[in-house]
Amino acid sequence: ETGVTQSPTHLIKTRGQQVTLRCSSQSGHNTVSWYQQALGQGPQFIFQYYREEENGRGNFPPRFSGLQFPNYSSELNVNALELDDSALYLCASSPQGGTLRATQYFGPGTRLLVL
Amino acid sequence: SQQGEEDPQALSIQEGENATMNCSYKTSINNLQWYRQNSGRGLVHLILIRSNEREKHSGRLRVTLDTSKKSSSLLITASRAADTASYFCATDTGRRALTFGSGTRLQVQP
Repeated sequence: ETGVTQSPTHLIKTRGQQVTLRCSSQSGHNTVSWYQQALGQGPQFIFQYYREEENGRGNFPPRFSGLQFPNYSSELNVNALELDDSALYLCASSPQGGTLRATQYFGPGTRLLVL
Repeated sequence: SQQGEEDPQALSIQEGENATMNCSYKTSINNLQWYRQNSGRGLVHLILIRSNEREKHSGRLRVTLDTSKKSSSLLITASRAADTASYFCATDTGRRALTFGSGTRLQVQP
C-alpha cells in the first residue's frame, strides 16, 4: 500500500451538481496528479499540481479544476456534472516536480457515480 | 487519447504458467512503466524501464523494451492466483503526465 489516501471512497451525485474529491499525498512527495478512469479503460491524465500550481493538464474541460495546499494535499473539483463523469478518480503523488521522472504512487481512488 | 495499447485484452492461465503481456505505443518516450490494478482500485507500480534500457528484472517480473518497434513486454513467471489483476503499461513522454493503455486483464486459475 502507498501512503496516498483519498476521500470519499464512493460518491453519488446527480447531473448538474458539483463535487470535490480529496487526496493526501505520500510523505515527502510534492507533486500530485489526478487521473480519471472510466470502466474498462486505462486512467486518463486530468492535471498535475506542483508547489501549489497547475503544472500540466490533459484534455479535460475547465469545469475540472484543482487545488494543492501547502502540505501538498490536493482537491479535484468538478462542476456541472455530466453522466460521462462517472468514473474512478485516482490521485497519484511523486517526489519530483517539473519533469516527470519518478514513479507515481497511486491512492485507492474515489468512485463517482453521476445519475 | 491513450498512447499505449496492451495485447491481449484478456488472458487466462493456470497457476505456475508464465504470463506475457505486450504494449505498443506511438511516440518517443523517456521511460515506460507497468502498473497492476486489483478490482478497479488503486494502481500499484511494478517496474520502470528507461528508454536507453532493453531489459529489466524484478523478482518474477521481466520487462523488455524495443524503442525501434515502440513496444514493450511484461513477463510474469510462475504465476500465482494472487497475480490475478489488470496490468497497464504507461509511457512517460516528459510532458508531466503518464499515458496509459487500456490494460490486460489476467486471470490465474488455481
